[in-house]
Order: sequence, then structure tokens, then C-alpha cells
Amino acid sequence: NAGVTQTPKFRILKIGQSMTLQCTQDMNHNYMYWYRQDPGMGLKLIYYSVGAGITDKGEVPNGYNVSRSTTEDFPLRLELAAPSQTSVYFCASSWEPTSRKTYEQYFGPGTRLTVT
Amino acid sequence: AQSVTQLDSQVPVFEEAPVELRCNYSSSVSVYLFWYVQYPNQGLQLLLKYLSGSTLVKGINGFEAEFNKSQTSFHLRKPSVHISDTAEYFCPSGGSNYKLTFGKGTLLTVNP
Repeated sequence: NAGVTQTPKFRILKIGQSMTLQCTQDMNHNYMYWYRQDPGMGLKLIYYSVGAGITDKGEVPNGYNVSRSTTEDFPLRLELAAPSQTSVYFCASSWEPTSRKTYEQYFGPGTRLTVT
Repeated sequence: AQSVTQLDSQVPVFEEAPVELRCNYSSSVSVYLFWYVQYPNQGLQLLLKYLSGSTLVKGINGFEAEFNKSQTSFHLRKPSVHISDTAEYFCPSGGSNYKLTFGKGTLLTVNP
């Protein structure tokens, strides 16, 4: 199993440009997540999905959009890139939590994005 | 709302010394606790997890952590560190839903 894969690894955008960060998992997980990591700030949840066709906002959704047409894929879209979106982006996936148990999240290798 | 405090932003130690990375959480409901490691320019890898049961949890690479409910802590320990343990460490907490709450991380630097 490849686990969670992300492309691209690195990207430089100009202000106002758009791009899509790709995320794919091969573990048949229903739950998928997008985080951003800024230096010294830990990880912040941008968007999450509990299954194909179902997405919702996390803690820092402004400036981003997501879609989930398949179980495997969960792309993150930046429409009008701004310098504040310079960050490292991580995609993660997990099994569906139950009322009695939650599960660890599996993380991809990340995409390092610079907006100038 | 849950919160996680990692008490040290940086921990420098010498090789073969013991180390403890401290993590406190705040929650009034059932809590699940994890420790992840992030090596330079890589994603996060699970070290260990506490879901229920024994409060002493053993993980990979010789790490262990102890869940202390009365002190709301989940400190990570290793009796003898290696240069290769140099990394950033996170201790997110999760509740009865899917969400993980992350602290700011602790950078462990192991010096020769």
C-alpha cells in the first residue's frame, strides 16, 4: 500500500494564481482531512470529508475549497493565492470513528507551497 | 473545546541521554491521545496512541508514554536517545468525533 500520497511536493505561486493540491489514499478510509502547518504553530484543520460527496469546514477554511467525488481522492483548491497561504499542506485519512473508538490519522508527505 | 499544550518548544539533549517531552491536554469528555513524530521535510508518523486501558503505552522506536488523568498529561519518554530521534514531536488529542487538536510541537535535537 502506498498509503496517503500528495502531489506536488513543492510549488511556487504568484499572488492571484490558482492551483489544486492532490491527495489520494489507498486504504479505503472514509474520513479525509486537509491541514496546514506553519512554523511553531502546529497543524490547523482546513477542511475534512466523511465520505464521497460530503465535505465540511475545519478551523481555517477561508481561501480554500475542496471536493470529494471518490473515496480515494480529496483535492484542495486555492482560487486566488495570497502570501498568507504560504505553508506546508498535509492530507490525512482515517477510519470512521465510532461512539466508542476513534482511530489514528495517516498523513501524506506534504506539499510545500510558497506564494510570492 | 479541547486544547493541547506542549510545554517545551525545544528540547536539546545529548546522545544516549534520557528524554521526556511534556504534553498536557484539557478536556471534560473522553479523550484519545496520540504522539506523532515528524522528521525533517516529511509527513507525520504515529509513534503511539492511548485509546483506553493501560495507562502506560509503548510505541515504536523505544518510546513510551503515560496517561495521567488526574494531571491531564500524556508525557513521552525514551530512556536513551539516538541522533536519528532528532525531529519534531506532536501530541494531538481527539474526542468522540474525528477531530484532532494539535499543540505547537516540540523540537527534539539530539547532539553527539
